[in-house]
Amino acid sequence: AQKVTQAQTEISVVEKEDVTLDCVYETRDTTYYLFWYKQPPSGELVFLIRRNSFDEQNEISGRYSWNFQKSTSSFNFTITASQVVDSAVYFCALSAYTGRRALTFGSGTRLQVQP
Amino acid sequence: DARVTQTPRHKVTEMGQEVTMRCQPILGHNTVFWYRQTMMQGLELLAYFRNRAPLDDSGMPKDRFSAEMPDATLATLKIQPSEPRDSAVYFCASGLVRLAGTNNEQFFGPGTRLTVL
Repeated sequence: AQKVTQAQTEISVVEKEDVTLDCVYETRDTTYYLFWYKQPPSGELVFLIRRNSFDEQNEISGRYSWNFQKSTSSFNFTITASQVVDSAVYFCALSAYTGRRALTFGSGTRLQVQP
Repeated sequence: DARVTQTPRHKVTEMGQEVTMRCQPILGHNTVFWYRQTMMQGLELLAYFRNRAPLDDSGMPKDRFSAEMPDATLATLKIQPSEPRDSAVYFCASGLVRLAGTNNEQFFGPGTRLTVL
């Protein structure tokens, strides 16, 4: 069975602070995918990143970076110099690499960036 | 700009009524997923299809929910009869899934917010 844990229910920061959202997962699969999605107040789910389990290279995209550590089953997401527009709920998710591709989501972390 | 579309965006109905939600996946995508989001359960899978064939509907209450893909451009989720506990946001997502990895992004529609009174 797959499980994704986002222990941080809510985080509040002041604009320009860096913030890291934690994600820990459990799976019996040897290969799998990890994802982050953003859900702004408008409600849609916006795809941010997909990572294959055999690629442990960290990734940076603008102010966003992701740290994947297979040894600790973690896939953390850092926003550098946060902005008010980053305020949203962020979901970490996991899927199989083959076969069943449905996403197993964490419970989400609500990020509030104060001006 | 290819997007998943869902109709209706909002639906308010009374207990016992039939509800039908529709989804148009991104053209060319071969996999469609239905998820439900509630405060208590978070985001959970209801059903999914690949090449229009149902692969997994284990998350769906079988006695009242049904999901179909009449053609490659339309997926439907039906609740009959609806109950207040069905109140939630229902998301459709589509993706292009190939064998053995390579590419598994799922792109979500805007959701249907269902309220059953």
